[in-house]
Amino acid sequence: EAGVAQSPRYKIIEKRQSVAFWCNPISGHATLYWYQQILGQGPKLLIQFQNNGVVDDSQLPKDRFSAERLKGVDSTLKIQPAKLEDSAVYLCASSFRRGTYNEQFFGPGTRLTVL
Amino acid sequence: GQNIDQPTEMTATEGAIVQINCTYQTSGFNGLFWYQQHAGEAPTFLSYNVLDGLEEKGRFSSFLSRSKGYSYLLLKELQMKDSASYLCAVRDRGNAGNMLTFGGGTRLMVKP
Repeated sequence: EAGVAQSPRYKIIEKRQSVAFWCNPISGHATLYWYQQILGQGPKLLIQFQNNGVVDDSQLPKDRFSAERLKGVDSTLKIQPAKLEDSAVYLCASSFRRGTYNEQFFGPGTRLTVL
Repeated sequence: GQNIDQPTEMTATEGAIVQINCTYQTSGFNGLFWYQQHAGEAPTFLSYNVLDGLEEKGRFSSFLSRSKGYSYLLLKELQMKDSASYLCAVRDRGNAGNMLTFGGGTRLMVKP
């Protein structure tokens, strides 16, 4: 079974530029999550989708971050404009069901460096 | 919200046993997860506890006490490959979607 795919793996941009990350979850997984993991810290949930609807985006900085999950499969996370403090690894995860014991499977992440 | 505490770093010797503690505060506890994360890699699932007691899975065991807001991950017969960060994560049914809140992680270094 293929895992969660993410691209790009690495991205270096200058502050105030825009960047987008892509995630393809495990086939059949209805729930998709985007996390931000700053070096030395645990992952912090940014947004959770159930199919193509947003379940929770309370920790998403909506003035600069946006995310969508068209057709309930792939998802993109965008930052516009980027700030220095956005330097982090952006992890995408998916799980089969929401609301039950549902192990989250993580992708390899995109390491973003903002200069 | 939740508050999750775990030690930042631990060091242990190959072949030994190490216990990584996690304490949490949450109003609607609905499960605790342990994940392993090697440097530069994605977290991988280790264990899940929702009821009090010990869950054993090979060299790894996880314990939960809901009344104390406490869990530990026990690693036996340590191997060099166990050097990684170990993340404690709590699910709260009060949050939409039963989202997970992660602790900061415990970086374990296994020495020969």
